[in-house]
Amino acid sequence: EADIYQTPRYLVIGTGKKITLECSQTMGHDKMYWYQQDPGMELHLIHYSYGVNSTEKGDLSSESTVSRIRTEHFPLTLESARPSHTSQYLCASSELGQGTDTQYFGPGTRLTVL
Amino acid sequence: EDQVTQSPEALRLQEGESSSLNCSYTVSGLRGLFWYRQDPGKGPEFLFTLYSAGEEKEKERLKATLTKKESFLHITAPKPEDSATYLCAVHPYGQNFVFGPGTRLSVLP
Repeated sequence: EADIYQTPRYLVIGTGKKITLECSQTMGHDKMYWYQQDPGMELHLIHYSYGVNSTEKGDLSSESTVSRIRTEHFPLTLESARPSHTSQYLCASSELGQGTDTQYFGPGTRLTVL
Repeated sequence: EDQVTQSPEALRLQEGESSSLNCSYTVSGLRGLFWYRQDPGKGPEFLFTLYSAGEEKEKERLKATLTKKESFLHITAPKPEDSATYLCAVHPYGQNFVFGPGTRLSVLP
């Protein structure tokens, strides 16, 4: 079972604020991901990383940025939040292997921008 | 383009009433197919990975099967605690995961 943590679980902020969503995992997984999920909709990949100092943009365009300075930590930052950023943000991690790698998810951060 | 569809969109069952959820996919090459369970307001919880047509996996009241074009999640004698959204995802070769929209399952006592 994966141990992956996200903070905060819930965040309500005003437009224009800078926010950072935290994600940490204790499995030593190389690959980490950020997904965005609106209610009743699919998960959409917004960022991923193969390891330290590696970051890639996902399939869904996003105004957020990520960094990967430590293996266990993959924070997501919004420089200026807008109401359109209101959504659930899910972090996941997996081992980087030759086969297909099961992704394990954190509990999510529900972001509301007023 | 790689695609995943799931049906039905929502399913209501009486406790003990067995049924199946469908995941249909179109990919150029399949590395793996995944089933997850997601409770409201939480992250998806991993259930199964299937790699090749004909493969089956079981866990408690759940059994997942895979063909070349679709996967089924069979739920035998469900209980109210099985109520959740069940997500299907495919991992195509050279691509990231593609998730379906999920099936919302409600099991009534």
